[in-house]
Amino acid sequence: ILNVEQSPQSLHVQEGDSTNFTCSFPSSNFYALHWYRWETAKSPEALFVMTLNGDEKKKGRISATLNTKEGYSYLYIKGSQPEDSATYLCAPGNTDSWGKLQFGAGTQVVVTP
Amino acid sequence: NAGVTQTPKFRVLKTGQSMTLLCAQDMNHEYMYWYRQDPGMGLRLIHYSVGEGTTAKGEVPDGYNVSRLKKQNFLLGLESAAPSQTSVYFCASSDRGDEQYFGPGTRLTVT
Repeated sequence: ILNVEQSPQSLHVQEGDSTNFTCSFPSSNFYALHWYRWETAKSPEALFVMTLNGDEKKKGRISATLNTKEGYSYLYIKGSQPEDSATYLCAPGNTDSWGKLQFGAGTQVVVTP
Repeated sequence: NAGVTQTPKFRVLKTGQSMTLLCAQDMNHEYMYWYRQDPGMGLRLIHYSVGEGTTAKGEVPDGYNVSRLKKQNFLLGLESAAPSQTSVYFCASSDRGDEQYFGPGTRLTVT
């Protein structure tokens, strides 16, 4: 079982503010890092799949960066909106168990108007 | 395209009863997964499959069995349900380790 840590556990953001949070994971035998967005009463939905060191991906106001050498990824939300309220999960994949992801506990984001 | 579907959506079992949860996907994905979600625990992998006829244990496999007889279906069985198996169960599929597509979940209560 990989040690995956997400911080903070939760955060409250004012509408319009930007925010970011972290996922840290073991850097050895890494092959991919997934980010998922999980809204209450729904199912997780994929945001990004990142594989290369230095990768940056963007979807609308949400972006992510990846550092595989030190084992961390940042997720950024620019100009937060109430619809961004969700739990954001990261999940690294390890070559010891191809196809299997280890999900972190998530960062719960609440955006207030 | 229905994506990933799960049957049933809700179920209440008594301790010791058995049941099977069905997951079906129509995306021709090779990999399929069963997770459970518990408060404060995130998503924990129960079993997974990297192809028809193959299965492997995840993080919390005890008390569960799985079968993948057809590529599009992944069944999760509880032989003798226990209250500790009260949870929300999610199935997911992916194309060889790419992004995972999740089903709507099955809420199971064991009394």
